[in-house]
Amino acid sequence: EDQVTQSPEALRLQEGESSSLNCSYTVSGLRGLFWYRQDPGKGPEFLFTLYSAGEEKEKERLKATLTKKESFLHITAPKPEDSATYLCAVLRTGGYNKLIFGAGTRLAVHP
Amino acid sequence: SAVISQKPSRDICQRGTSLTIQCQVDSQVTMMFWYRQQPGQSLTLIATANQGSEATYESGFVIDKFPISRPNLTFSTLTVSNMSPEDSSIYLCSGGTGYEQYFGPGTRLTVT
Repeated sequence: EDQVTQSPEALRLQEGESSSLNCSYTVSGLRGLFWYRQDPGKGPEFLFTLYSAGEEKEKERLKATLTKKESFLHITAPKPEDSATYLCAVLRTGGYNKLIFGAGTRLAVHP
Repeated sequence: SAVISQKPSRDICQRGTSLTIQCQVDSQVTMMFWYRQQPGQSLTLIATANQGSEATYESGFVIDKFPISRPNLTFSTLTVSNMSPEDSSIYLCSGGTGYEQYFGPGTRLTVT
């Protein structure tokens, strides 16, 4: 069965304290792994798509990496405005396309 | 990138009625999906909207309750039928390709 698991469920950081969020997946026919940021009351904001093991992508203080079974979202020297819920999702094929989300990590960055 | 708009942004409906949510993309996209998100929770996939044919529904969601149309590559609708208070949620659509998927702002539905 397709499954996406994110950890930790919640993370509290001090401003400038770097950390990583994890997304592990079990899916048949992975087409891509997506990372999103979601602020309260808004739709998810697209960040990255990763396609193959070893791939890395960066955007400002965020860096996403992918292995065959998991992805990491590294946050370097976070600021309070990085506080949000970070969601990962896998796009799988196999009959029809399907974008499946993990439960998310709630990140709070305190000054 | 693609910009996704949804109508209505929110609604309060009575039990037993139906509501149709519209999703418009500003460019042609190959994939469109519909999701439900309960407060404080992640996104649950309702169905994949297929252009010109019947949607593909996930376990626990049925066409009679959530009929979906996608007449072209930029537009889709989701109807929530015969609503009950348990249908109160945020409904989101997404559109994009296998490379990028963008989301609308969501429709906040309250059923009384």
